[in-house]
Amino acid sequence: EADIYQTPRYLVIGTGKKITLECSQTMGHDKMYWYQQDPGMELHLIHYSYGVNSTEKGDLSSESTVSRIRTEHFPLTLESARPSHTSQYLCASSELGRGNTEAFFGQGTRLTVV
Amino acid sequence: KQEVTQIPAALSVPEGENLVLNCSFTDSAIYNLQWFRQDPGKGLTSLLLIQSSQREQTSGRLNASLDKSSGRSTLYIAASQPGDSATYLCAVVPLGDNDMRFGAGTRLTVKP
Repeated sequence: EADIYQTPRYLVIGTGKKITLECSQTMGHDKMYWYQQDPGMELHLIHYSYGVNSTEKGDLSSESTVSRIRTEHFPLTLESARPSHTSQYLCASSELGRGNTEAFFGQGTRLTVV
Repeated sequence: KQEVTQIPAALSVPEGENLVLNCSFTDSAIYNLQWFRQDPGKGLTSLLLIQSSQREQTSGRLNASLDKSSGRSTLYIAASQPGDSATYLCAVVPLGDNDMRFGAGTRLTVKP
């Protein structure tokens, strides 16, 4: 059982609002990721982190920002939500090594911006 | 750039059938390959991880194989059950890269 949690599970919010999607893991993993997934489509990496104070942008350009102040916590923030941000956001974590780095995912946050 | 393809995109089988899902990747230089299951509207559940030096991994009714030189992996599901209905995703971690590259998935329906 993966110990990685995302809140909220579902969020409907108006255009222009600031939102923060929470992700926490209790496995002590250094590496954490945020993926964006539209219905029936592939996952696209938008942010990742190697550890505390490390944040990097992924392949898919995103207007969101992330922070990593604590190992277990990797929140994603949208300063001004727009309907184009409507999607599912998935958080994942893994150990820092390469060979046996099984990744674990949270249950996702389905965001709808109206 | 590493590209991951999963065929078929959708598959429907009667309960009890054995089935194979396919995953191919364009660059054999990978650290590992991981198979996931995703239920509608949910996150991903890890099924099997195969390191680049391994040929296969087994868990219960699931068996995943890896042929790195040909850029292929298969997920074999024995004696399928309706509860196996979900989308199955494969992902590779390329050498020198920072993240997993995902296929678009195979949507499996097992009919009672």
